Amino acid sequence: AQSVTQLGSHVSVSEGALVLLRCNYSSSVPPYLFWYVQYPNQGLQLLLKYTSAATLVKGINGFEAEFKKSETSFHLTKPSAHMSDAAEYFCAVSGGTDSWGKFQFGAGTQVVVTP
Amino acid sequence: DADVTQTPRNRITKTGKRIMLECSQTKGHDRMYWYRQDPGLGLRLIYYSFDVKDINKGEISDGYSVSRQAQAKFSLSLESAIPNQTALYFCATSDLGGQSDGTQYFGPGTRLTVL
Repeated sequence: AQSVTQLGSHVSVSEGALVLLRCNYSSSVPPYLFWYVQYPNQGLQLLLKYTSAATLVKGINGFEAEFKKSETSFHLTKPSAHMSDAAEYFCAVSGGTDSWGKFQFGAGTQVVVTP
Repeated sequence: DADVTQTPRNRITKTGKRIMLECSQTKGHDRMYWYRQDPGLGLRLIYYSFDVKDINKGEISDGYSVSRQAQAKFSLSLESAIPNQTALYFCATSDLGGQSDGTQYFGPGTRLTVL
């Protein structure tokens, strides 16, 4: 079985400050990990993904995430927040022959960016 | 044009009515999924299909049914809608190919309100 925990349902950051969104996972096999972003009234858009290559993954809009197996984490960061980063962010895990192709999503983290 | 489309985008209906949500994709993917999104719960899988002849229940399939009419079309039905089915519904697709990492691509969503 696999599961995802996102710490913090709401995060408020100042424009220009570091954005850090936490994601921890559990999986019985090496996972594939994904971060998606959902802007208001839109679907989910892929930000970045870890698929067993480099552990530091760079995505769109200046975001990156680091896979840490020892900590079972895949935290999302951006050095300097922009107003346009206000959105909801979802971490997801997939993997294993019994769950290949199926995602388990975290509950999401709503990011608010203040001027 | 969008790769994954959903119709309708918004629907208000009454308790007991039958509702069908439709999803079409032009990505040529074999796998299709239906999720519902509720605040604080993330996305939960309702049904998924790995090819036209393959339909599988997800974690919350009760009260829902699906039809995979073609590789490109996957419909979700609520036979007798109830108010707690009020939610945002997403369709997604992913590739089955050997080089695929299972990334899922989402439609824009259907906002369903059951009165």
